[in-house]
Amino acid sequence: EAGVTQFPSHSVIEKGQTVTLRCDPISGHDNLYWYRRVMGKEIKFLLHFVKESKQDESGMPNNRFLAERTGGTYSTLKVQPAELEDSGVYFCASSPNQREGTDTQYFGPGTRLTVL
Amino acid sequence: LAKTTQPISMDSYEGQEVNITCSHNNIATNDYITWYQQFPSQGPRFIIQGYKTKVTNEVASLFIPADRKSSTLSLPRVSLSDTAVYYCLVVTRGAGSYQLTFGKGTKLSVIP
Repeated sequence: EAGVTQFPSHSVIEKGQTVTLRCDPISGHDNLYWYRRVMGKEIKFLLHFVKESKQDESGMPNNRFLAERTGGTYSTLKVQPAELEDSGVYFCASSPNQREGTDTQYFGPGTRLTVL
Repeated sequence: LAKTTQPISMDSYEGQEVNITCSHNNIATNDYITWYQQFPSQGPRFIIQGYKTKVTNEVASLFIPADRKSSTLSLPRVSLSDTAVYYCLVVTRGAGSYQLTFGKGTKLSVIP
């Protein structure tokens, strides 16, 4: 079974440019999460999709970030325009369902974003 | 969300048993204790989860005392490939969104 995949593995852009990160969850997983780790800090939650709907987007830092999951399969996270402080590693995770207390999340390898 | 406290780092020789303790004094009734492992340049990987007493799988054991204010992850006979960062997390059941709250984790270094 293929795991969570993310593309690209590394992106280097200039401040003010736009970048789109993609996540392909494990097939059949309804739940998809985005997290990020910036500048040596802890991994922080960004948002959670259940199928194509945003269940919780309380961690999104500002309106420069837009996440979509059309069709409830893969998801994209767009940063527009990118700022220096957006540099970090963006992780995607998925899980099959939300049976109470047993939501094991499977993480992808992450996308390293460098904003110059 | 319950805050967790764990050692910043630990060193161990190959073949030894490693125990990493995590404190979560304000854990709630609906909270589970979950441990993840992360290797460099990879995403976190689920190791084990428990609610109380003892849970064991092919990778580790998790000991949770009756008051649930702490937990101990036990890795039997570690090898060099167990060098990683280990995160203790508290997950709230029934919250609708199972966002994971990561701390700094414990950096385990296994030496030959």
